[in-house]
Amino acid sequence: QKEVEQDPGPLSVPEGAIVSLNCTYSNSAFQYFMWYRQYSRKGPELLMYTYSSGNKEDGRFTAQVDKSSKYISLFIRDSQPSDSATYLCAMSAGGTSYGKLTFGQGTILTVHP
Amino acid sequence: EAQVTQNPRYLITVTGKKLTVTCSQNMNHEYMSWYRQDPGLGLRQIYYSMNVEVTDKGDVPEGYKVSRKEKRNFPLILESPSPNQTSLYFCASRGLAGGGEQFFGPGTRLTVL
Repeated sequence: QKEVEQDPGPLSVPEGAIVSLNCTYSNSAFQYFMWYRQYSRKGPELLMYTYSSGNKEDGRFTAQVDKSSKYISLFIRDSQPSDSATYLCAMSAGGTSYGKLTFGQGTILTVHP
Repeated sequence: EAQVTQNPRYLITVTGKKLTVTCSQNMNHEYMSWYRQDPGLGLRQIYYSMNVEVTDKGDVPEGYKVSRKEKRNFPLILESPSPNQTSLYFCASRGLAGGGEQFFGPGTRLTVL
């Protein structure tokens, strides 16, 4: 079983839809959680960053972390065609494992006009 | 502008010919990492460094070497490349301060014939 599981999709939604992306993990030591967006042939771009449990909102994006369920989510409101990309979750523990980031496989999202 | 740079961006080489991919960051980050990205396998960490002269293996270190002689630079060395190292490589850096977000370089597409 992988440490981080992410449904690869692909996910196709109409413009304006609410998108929900999710990852589950097995390592209870994870405490730093990130969401990245990656366009084709580009490097991953940091979207959201959360430490420990809770919610974080930035514009149309909301990140949620539920450490008790080992489950993180990214919500995109009012989705736009420009949101079409691969979304990657990533996480790490602290202390001596701070530098070791583990990624999900990525979810391919297409938002059609 | 805060950034992570990599060179070269594209490289075609032959089996066994030593090569180095350079990585540099201007954010004074303590942590730097190398990843490879392959279809269906996602992003996998090769090596990471916690600071100058301190490195550790990631998930797929075989066939790679790294060094961290200066804080800003973290080159990836393939001493005897093989075709199974054909991949898209990303360098990343992450600081201890400012929340711990990790930033990626633009990527290096390597083909080993």
